[in-house]
Amino acid sequence: KNEVEQSPQNLTAQEGEFITINCSYSVGISALHWLQQHPGGGIVSLFMLSSGKKKHGRLIATINIQEKHSSLHITASHPRDSAVYICAVERGADGLTFGKGTHLIIQP
Amino acid sequence: KAGVTQTPRYLIKTRGQQVTLSCSPISGHRSVSWYQQTPGQGLQFLFEYFSETQRNKGNFPGRFSGRQFSNSRSEMNVSTLELGDSALYLCASSLDPGLGYTFGSGTRLTVV
Repeated sequence: KNEVEQSPQNLTAQEGEFITINCSYSVGISALHWLQQHPGGGIVSLFMLSSGKKKHGRLIATINIQEKHSSLHITASHPRDSAVYICAVERGADGLTFGKGTHLIIQP
Repeated sequence: KAGVTQTPRYLIKTRGQQVTLSCSPISGHRSVSWYQQTPGQGLQFLFEYFSETQRNKGNFPGRFSGRQFSNSRSEMNVSTLELGDSALYLCASSLDPGLGYTFGSGTRLTVV
């Protein structure tokens, strides 16, 4: 069993829809990261969370430490949001452990 | 403010050769970490350097090594290349471990 599980693996939605991507982890963590990767490989760090909720523009990330679960929400989705979204957990100095990613396609 | 710079962007090597990849972090960032991304295994942690010291290493064979210089620039080296080493190698820098990461665009290595 992977330490970090993401769902769904693939998601296709229509422009304007509310998107939710989930991440569950099985170990104690110091922080959780949400990353975005576009074709070509570059990774952008969206959020780093250790508790509660963060919001940046149309993106919202939440984490429940007790339930070992985090969600990434996209409101009013747009085709430019199409990318792979990756959840990663950090455990002190152990480096990042990554989920397999969620391939999101937003159709116009 | 310059981002994280990785060179080269693309590289083709032959089995058995060795390769050195370079990562220049954001100015002032002292932590550099390296990751391998393959279609089968996804993203995996290779190692992290902080102020020229390796803080941690992932589960990779000894053919994978790295170092960090006094200006925080880092290199990783892979010796005796295997076909399975073909991957996107990403580095990320941080002001301090635990303060979030900025990723480079990666070096795509193809071993033939």
